[in-house]
Amino acid sequence: AQSVSQHNHHVILSEAASLELGCNYSYGGTVNLFWYVQYPGQHLQLLLKYFSGDPLVKGIKGFEAEFIKSKFSFNLRKPSVQWSDTAEYFCAVSHSGNTGKLIFGQGTTLQVKP
Amino acid sequence: EAGVTQFPSHSVIEKGQTVTLRCDPISGHDNLYWYRRVMGKEIKFLLHFVKESKQDESGMPNNRFLAERTGGTYSTLKVQPAELEDSGVYFCASSQRGQAGELFFGEGSRLTVL
Repeated sequence: AQSVSQHNHHVILSEAASLELGCNYSYGGTVNLFWYVQYPGQHLQLLLKYFSGDPLVKGIKGFEAEFIKSKFSFNLRKPSVQWSDTAEYFCAVSHSGNTGKLIFGQGTTLQVKP
Repeated sequence: EAGVTQFPSHSVIEKGQTVTLRCDPISGHDNLYWYRRVMGKEIKFLLHFVKESKQDESGMPNNRFLAERTGGTYSTLKVQPAELEDSGVYFCASSQRGQAGELFFGEGSRLTVL
């Protein structure tokens, strides 16, 4: 069965620290890749997505992610986090022909200390 | 433009009772999805409507769950009778036809079964 694994369940960083959240998926076919974020008290929203092309994808709020096909990975990065980045982050994949049926990772809670 | 709205935001019921969750997608969005997150686990796909038709209901746990989308507008998800393991957060999401990958999520309906 297809699955998505997020390496860290809970990350605590100080402001201005660099962030990298790991995501690996298991699926042999063509996939679409996503990172969603849920800020406290808000709905899930899309940070960035990868369908094809340049494997380095830039999203909102200074986030980026790199698709490494050989490693089945789609890690999320941000060079300098802010207190407002405190949220739960979800990696998700879908099959190329069914982009709305997402398989989510377990989520990573990021706490940024001011 | 109004986002995806869900009602109720929180419901507490006893085992054996019935609960109906409602989702109003963004106007004009043909695709409507239901997802569920049981505490401590990943968000899981339940089903997908295209307008009023069920496109994929492979994620529905069992026949105690019934989803409808009469007229292709709002959707309801009924759980009857509810069991303890049904507790969790039920998310609704919508997207435009052909809008690859970006799902717009509601804030979720938290269900607690006692």
